[in-house]
Amino acid sequence: QQQVKQSPQSLIVQKGGIPIINCAYENTAFDYFPWYQQFPGKGPALLIAIRPDVSEKKEGRFTISFNKSAKQFSLHIMDSQPGDSATYFCAAIGGSNYKLTFGKGTLLTVNP
Amino acid sequence: EAGVAQSPRYKIIEKRQSVAFWCNPISGHATLYWYQQILGQGPKLLIQFQNNGVVDDSQLPKDRFSAERLKGVDSTLKIQPAKLEDSAVYLCASSFNEGNTIYFGEGSWLTVV
Repeated sequence: QQQVKQSPQSLIVQKGGIPIINCAYENTAFDYFPWYQQFPGKGPALLIAIRPDVSEKKEGRFTISFNKSAKQFSLHIMDSQPGDSATYFCAAIGGSNYKLTFGKGTLLTVNP
Repeated sequence: EAGVAQSPRYKIIEKRQSVAFWCNPISGHATLYWYQQILGQGPKLLIQFQNNGVVDDSQLPKDRFSAERLKGVDSTLKIQPAKLEDSAVYLCASSFNEGNTIYFGEGSWLTVV
């Protein structure tokens, strides 16, 4: 059972564009939703995270939008740069075993 | 602050051979995780330690995988015997405590031929 569904699988934008990556979850016990950025050959690195008591969080060019009733959240990257090209994973954690569950990832390519 | 250290970074073995990966978490982190990341997928938790005790190993294939964290600091993940489908990146991660931010190492890349 895939508890966190992520889309799209891949995304190509031009420099300056605003890529949007969407995730949906099923487990209402999740209470923390991080996004990880992974460059080739590296481990995932925490990018930004949100808790369900807020609808939006911004850190620099990265914004998470959260819709608790729809059980959906998304990552927006403002003024995207070629250096943002990476794989992005949404994740969720919470409930009795407090285990971090990842989406399948989105490969983002930002063309110059 | 030093990050999560893993070794070896790359390993190629034949099926039915054994392999061991080592991890040294961030100093002071009580919680240590081993994840398996197959190409094109998100990381999947194999085992979670709290100090030297196992918290969750429900997705660890115990017939071939084993892990230990004897002194509550560094950890070893072993695969014996390896199968072709074990080809993946094995990521070690740590957090100050359960529920805190999880920091990942760069991973150990395993290819089973």
